[in-house]
Amino acid sequence: DTAVSQTPKYLVTQMGNDKSIKCEQNLGHDTMYWYKQDSKKFLKIMFSYNNKELIINETVPNRFSPKSPDKAHLNLHINSLELGDSAVYFCASSQDLWENIEETQYFGPGTRLLVL
Amino acid sequence: DQQVKQNSPSLSVQEGRISILNCDYTNSMFDYFLWYKKYPAEGPTFLISISSIKDKNEDGRFTVFLNKSAKHLSLHIVPSQPGDSAVYFCAAYQGGSEKLVFGKGMKLTVNP
Repeated sequence: DTAVSQTPKYLVTQMGNDKSIKCEQNLGHDTMYWYKQDSKKFLKIMFSYNNKELIINETVPNRFSPKSPDKAHLNLHINSLELGDSAVYFCASSQDLWENIEETQYFGPGTRLLVL
Repeated sequence: DQQVKQNSPSLSVQEGRISILNCDYTNSMFDYFLWYKKYPAEGPTFLISISSIKDKNEDGRFTVFLNKSAKHLSLHIVPSQPGDSAVYFCAAYQGGSEKLVFGKGMKLTVNP
């Protein structure tokens, strides 16, 4: 009955590879997000999608691309992986965007990516 | 350039006592502040927030205080319970820029 699920939980890969992390929410929410928690424990928002439209794109390299096949899914594709991409990536969803700042976000369990 | 700082990496308190988690920020344009709680192997969950027009917001055992002149906010948990043991993230939001910045997090351990 998981509200926000991510696969895989762990991902170990070589530099230069292309990988994807999947995210699905069964809450009927309109907005989904990707966050990155780096080795220094900072949590940074990367993308958000509202009704299939990219709303926020913080200064994220274009090697990262979110793909939303439908409202319930927001997948993260990463091309040409670099060592610095090693981090925990969290997917989240909420009914509305940050315009309603108290909007509760539901987070997935995270995907730990290790680039060797 | 850390705009949101949680300078203490960890805090340990006894059950029933008060837990005080601190957060400092540098950007005076931040106008909304949030606290998130994160258990191991789970994503962060929203806990409590405060607008910059207020200096206090209370929700049950959780109270957030904001001191704008000092660019400082704190989260008080009274009484602390073992289930409160988690990592707590402070976050700051700048309206209009859609920017949300998180601190590094602070690990709280509440001992029975």
